[in-house]
Amino acid sequence: SYVLTQAPSVSVTPGQTAMITCGGTNIGDKSVHWYQQKPGQAPILVVYDDSDRPSGIPERISASNSGSTATLTISRVEAGDEADYYCQVWDSSSDQEVFGGGTKLTVL
Amino acid sequence: QITLKESGPRLVKPTQTLTLTCTFSGFSLSTTGVGVGWIRQPPGKALEWLALLFWDDDKRYRPSLRSRLTIGKDASKNQVVLNMTNMEPVDTATYFCVYRQVGDYYDFWGQGALVTVSS
Repeated sequence: SYVLTQAPSVSVTPGQTAMITCGGTNIGDKSVHWYQQKPGQAPILVVYDDSDRPSGIPERISASNSGSTATLTISRVEAGDEADYYCQVWDSSSDQEVFGGGTKLTVL
Repeated sequence: QITLKESGPRLVKPTQTLTLTCTFSGFSLSTTGVGVGWIRQPPGKALEWLALLFWDDDKRYRPSLRSRLTIGKDASKNQVVLNMTNMEPVDTATYFCVYRQVGDYYDFWGQGALVTVSS
């Protein structure tokens, strides 16, 4: 079945830019969605369809998808951005949703 | 305003069947394109998609758990029910009820229900 690979952790200092990647075979051909999950809370959708933001999600959060890697970019990182981030796609070959293993963003 | 809330036992014994109910409001499961599903998360681990029920009663299951899962609805009560048979300690997780509409992403989530499997 389809596998999405994420780095376990990413660390940045406040004000810097964080880039969280999600790797998968020809992931550029799929629609990628991203979720943010803070401790003890349910995930929230922060990006859908590769690069669209739901209402209420700040413009500092952006994303792209091409080739074998999708990338979530958080500009001007704030302490409140510290969370786990998950990528997700629908794998039509196995008829199921697939999540990446998650990346913990630490704001130093 | 769309809301979803999970209910069911918080402790089940090995080999028992888990029944979780998602009670939702703010939308109709009869609306074209709407889907309600279940996603779980073992403590300290990643999200794991389980099942999805579409507005037209089409259903999708995680292939590796297909034989143990059943998803269904009670439209009159605005509820979606997930049954999972032969529970094991590795099934200990927080189970989330989720909503999707147009795309294959989940824009509304329940608060989650922690289910522990232990004798």
